[in-house]
Amino acid sequence: DAMVIQNPRYQVTQFGKPVTLSCSQTLNHNVMYWYQQKSSQAPKLLFHYYDKDFNNEADTPDNFQSRRPNTSFCFLDIRSPGLGDAAMYLCATMDTYTQETQYFGPGTRLLVL
Amino acid sequence: GESVGLHLPTLSVQEGDNSIINCAYSNSASDYFIWYKQESGKGPQFIIDIRSNMDKRQGQRVTVLLNKTVKHLSLQIAATQPGDSAVYFCAENGSSNTGKLIFGQGTTLQVKP
Repeated sequence: DAMVIQNPRYQVTQFGKPVTLSCSQTLNHNVMYWYQQKSSQAPKLLFHYYDKDFNNEADTPDNFQSRRPNTSFCFLDIRSPGLGDAAMYLCATMDTYTQETQYFGPGTRLLVL
Repeated sequence: GESVGLHLPTLSVQEGDNSIINCAYSNSASDYFIWYKQESGKGPQFIIDIRSNMDKRQGQRVTVLLNKTVKHLSLQIAATQPGDSAVYFCAENGSSNTGKLIFGQGTTLQVKP
């Protein structure tokens, strides 16, 4: 059974056209993360929600925003995608009360035309 | 800066042989380490973890070894199978308690039939 779900799996957008990627989880974990992963590189953390608290990484561009309307859902908004934003976007969750392991979703592959 | 690095970018092994993937970490305050497996086009999948109060942990066909003296982590895969072909990342929790992970660069494991 899928525990961390990402939709869509593939997303094509145009240069400068806003796009939203979604993540949902059935684990009831309190922390949700968004990573960007480019080819042959390790995942790069963009930001995370610790419960309702948003934590942005210092080097995450303002072009990237996130929303977490409830425990189960988290969204990644890219305001004006550039060609350099084409990548795999990974969502992960963790339950800080019981463990330190992050569980990843399958990712959304973003293509910017 | 603090980093987790892998010694070899690509490891090629014969099916049935044992594989050893290495990782060096620099943050001596890290007390939790994880190995992830990432197949092409998929999200990282948890394989095994280990805490700093242990030096060895075994799973099904996998063993993780931790040498805190030299800050070295390794993943051993017994009787490597074609399905083990993937990129393997090590990760550490660093010195913070925010639930963030520091990822290594990844090692590609290629299994020859």
